[in-house]
Amino acid sequence: EVLLLESGGGLVQPGGSLRLSCAASGFTFSDYGMSWVRQAPGKGLEWVSSIRGSGSPTFYADSVKGRLTISRDNSKNMVYLQMSSLRPEDTALYHCARGHRDSDYLYFDNWGQGILVTVSS
Amino acid sequence: DIVMTQSPDSLAVSLGERATINCKSSQTVLYSSNNRNYLAWYQQKPGQPPKLLISWASSRESGVPDRFRGSGSGTDFTLTISSLQAEDVAVYYCQQYYSSLLTFGPGTKVDIK
Repeated sequence: EVLLLESGGGLVQPGGSLRLSCAASGFTFSDYGMSWVRQAPGKGLEWVSSIRGSGSPTFYADSVKGRLTISRDNSKNMVYLQMSSLRPEDTALYHCARGHRDSDYLYFDNWGQGILVTVSS
Repeated sequence: DIVMTQSPDSLAVSLGERATINCKSSQTVLYSSNNRNYLAWYQQKPGQPPKLLISWASSRESGVPDRFRGSGSGTDFTLTISSLQAEDVAVYYCQQYYSSLLTFGPGTKVDIK
């Protein structure tokens, strides 16, 4: 069974930093691209970032480019999202999602429950 | 970026009746070299993460009831629920993966009339 478990969320002030983690299990981790998808309260889904199975290349939505950094550690079956220069509009539930394969072009066949990030003073 | 739009924003359908959701992309998501549409559909119930229903515009995932059907090509797509059940109340999203800058539609909320 594929499991994705996010952690590291919380309340952070505008301009602050946070690192999200996603622990994956139940599949050969390095064989899949991984992504982060967020959902602001009461809003729709917004793709944030993706990373290939080997760790590169990486891809970012324009809204987060230069502020958020995706990475992975295949030895630990972990994917991370380093978030800096956070803004109130980054407030959302952040889902870790598995791509359907190791590709630049992904749909998502498994999702974590999500972790809440709140950016507020 | 490829912009995805959906219509309607919401709809209410009687149990057992048909629900139809439309999704349109700002440019084609049909890859000519393999003749495949890079379009997926998801269902999201309250308090749950999204669930993949359909990939490649019309390929139903394992375990998804056959009342869910995806169709369309190029820029215009449809998700049809042929006979709405109570458990189908949810928000439905389309997503393109033709571009590595992935984008979702805004969602369509489906309720029981």
